[in-house]
Amino acid sequence: DSGVTQTPKHLITATGQRVTLRCSPRSGDLSVYWYQQSLDQGLQFLIQYYNGEERAKGNILERFSAQQFPDLHSELNLSSLELGDSALYFCASRPTGGPEAFFGQGTRLTVV
Amino acid sequence: AQKVTQAQTEISVVEKEDVTLDCVYETRDTTYYLFWYKQPPSGELVFLIRRNSFDEQNEISGRYSWNFQKSTSSFNFTITASQVVDSAVYFCALSEMDSGTYKYIFGTGTRLKVLA
Repeated sequence: DSGVTQTPKHLITATGQRVTLRCSPRSGDLSVYWYQQSLDQGLQFLIQYYNGEERAKGNILERFSAQQFPDLHSELNLSSLELGDSALYFCASRPTGGPEAFFGQGTRLTVV
Repeated sequence: AQKVTQAQTEISVVEKEDVTLDCVYETRDTTYYLFWYKQPPSGELVFLIRRNSFDEQNEISGRYSWNFQKSTSSFNFTITASQVVDSAVYFCALSEMDSGTYKYIFGTGTRLKVLA
């Protein structure tokens, strides 16, 4: 168990809908990263937050947004969903001063 | 540019065989970190090991061993006496500081199938 909790584990929704994925980092970790893993794309970095502030942005679509709350949990919002958004979405947290990233179990999103 | 290459897309071995997963990286930084992660069929990403760029000492953990060679920019992973439970996708990753934060670059993964 990495200590990073992601909910829900599975999500099935229709095209055009909006969903929110939630991540609770390991206790004390201030950094949260979001990744998308599609079948043909590998692990793609979406966005990183550190103590509530956005620190780095990757290949995140404009339809997607994220935030990190004062209690350090993070949410990834995906809107106007398309079939191609079906993927495994991972959250990772990193301890301050350490380079290791610990991943949650992922949320498997299926858009039908 | 930073890059991680895992040239082996899929490897199949018979149980108890040894298997080596290759990882080659590219970076201009002198300080960086290398990782291996395991993704079993259940989907989670499990952290296996981290190596620092300034520490080329190889590491062994049970049946797992890692060979880090800066001269060839490689960080290979060997599983000795493979078991069916080792079947998974294995990812190699590179981490560097970029604009004050750590950035991670993943390889495309190697799917290992261990046959009984």
